[in-house]
Amino acid sequence: EVQLVESGGGLVQPGGSLRLSCAASGFTFSSYDMHWVRQATGKGLEWVSAIGTAGDTYYPGSVKGRFTISRENAKNSLYLQMNSLRAGDTAVYYCAREEYSSLRGYYMDVWGKGTTVTVSS
Amino acid sequence: SSELTQDPAVSVALGQTVRITCQGDSLRSYYASWYQQKPGQAPVLVIYGKNNRPSGIPDRFSGSSSGNTASLTITGAQAEDEADYYCNSRDSSGNHLYVFGTGTKVTVL
Repeated sequence: EVQLVESGGGLVQPGGSLRLSCAASGFTFSSYDMHWVRQATGKGLEWVSAIGTAGDTYYPGSVKGRFTISRENAKNSLYLQMNSLRAGDTAVYYCAREEYSSLRGYYMDVWGKGTTVTVSS
Repeated sequence: SSELTQDPAVSVALGQTVRITCQGDSLRSYYASWYQQKPGQAPVLVIYGKNNRPSGIPDRFSGSSSGNTASLTITGAQAEDEADYYCNSRDSSGNHLYVFGTGTKVTVL
């Protein structure tokens, strides 16, 4: 069964750090680009970061310089290192697998259930 | 970066048809993908590419696109289709970024 399981969420003070993990199973993890997507309570989905199969990384301006996405293919794992956390980073964080083809474009076909990050003093 | 705009909410009578739209410049260059999200659950992919459904998604869900607008249509809406729906695409800035739409709450009456 293709599966993604996030972990590492919790309560952290403003300015603090947290590292999220996403364990992949049921597919060849190293062959896929991967993403982190977050959702604050009552709000929409927000793309947070992506990493390619070659380790190339991408971020929106809202987290660039504070968050670092990485992967460890030998462990079928995706990570998100979050530093200088703010109250606005409070959200459920999902990892997602990307599929791409020239005919069908880009899409995220497998999602984890998410892990909750709360930034508060 | 690009933005994708959706109507905040739409309602549809049980068994009728509803169309959800997503507008943005990036849609002139990239296909939209569509995600259904029910309360307390992770998003689920329902439409990708020109008009493709993942295995297990009912054929009452369909997609289309024209210019800067992508649409998701539910033909014969069921009670279980009540959910939030989000579009997503690559950003057209060339910076390998991604963007989600603002989301549409679909209520089945």
